[in-house]
Amino acid sequence: DAGITQSPRHKVTETGTPVTLRCHQTENHRYMYWYRQDPGHGLRLIHYSYGVKDTDKGEVSDGYSVSRSKTEDFLLTLESATSSQTSVYFCASDTGTQETQYFGPGTRLLVL
Amino acid sequence: GNSVTQMEGPVTLSEEAFLTINCTYTATGYPSLFWYVQYPGEGLQLLLKATKADDKGSNKGFEATYRKETTSFHLEKGSVQVSDSAVYFCALILNNAGNMLTFGGGTRLMVKP
Repeated sequence: DAGITQSPRHKVTETGTPVTLRCHQTENHRYMYWYRQDPGHGLRLIHYSYGVKDTDKGEVSDGYSVSRSKTEDFLLTLESATSSQTSVYFCASDTGTQETQYFGPGTRLLVL
Repeated sequence: GNSVTQMEGPVTLSEEAFLTINCTYTATGYPSLFWYVQYPGEGLQLLLKATKADDKGSNKGFEATYRKETTSFHLEKGSVQVSDSAVYFCALILNNAGNMLTFGGGTRLMVKP
């Protein structure tokens, strides 16, 4: 299995505070992704990266920003958290050749 | 746009029962199709995939056949086990259009002894 870790694994925060989630992969994968998982919606793509400093928006990008300064790290930032951003966040990575995407264990975020 | 529709769960079966989870898709191009599985408390992992029409993906006793004529990719297993209890996601990637997965809503399977 690809080595993908996420931190923190659980976080409780208050509305209006900034939050940063970290994804770290050790497979030298070029592509990395952030998804959110909500009941009835499956996983929806927030942002993705196709290389260092190269990122683009996904389906549900409003209220989120990302950064990728190194191949192995992909950060997701909620600039000002809202209750609608309470969710489980998954990071994934792959080589970009439409083979398997490898997923991290997820971060459970609760915004009060 | 692209979309994936799965049967709503939960699906509750007894051990050794036959499993079918329906999945249909709409796509503006020619997709590759995937089934991912999420065990409790874990991330998703690839279960099987098919990249062209009539291909059959298989793994761990699960099978799914890419049916272009019915735009379907139904997941089947002949005899489920308690350890198969998980959430199953059908997904697609459009060929020649990057690597972004479009997921269905997921189907929770519960297998009772």
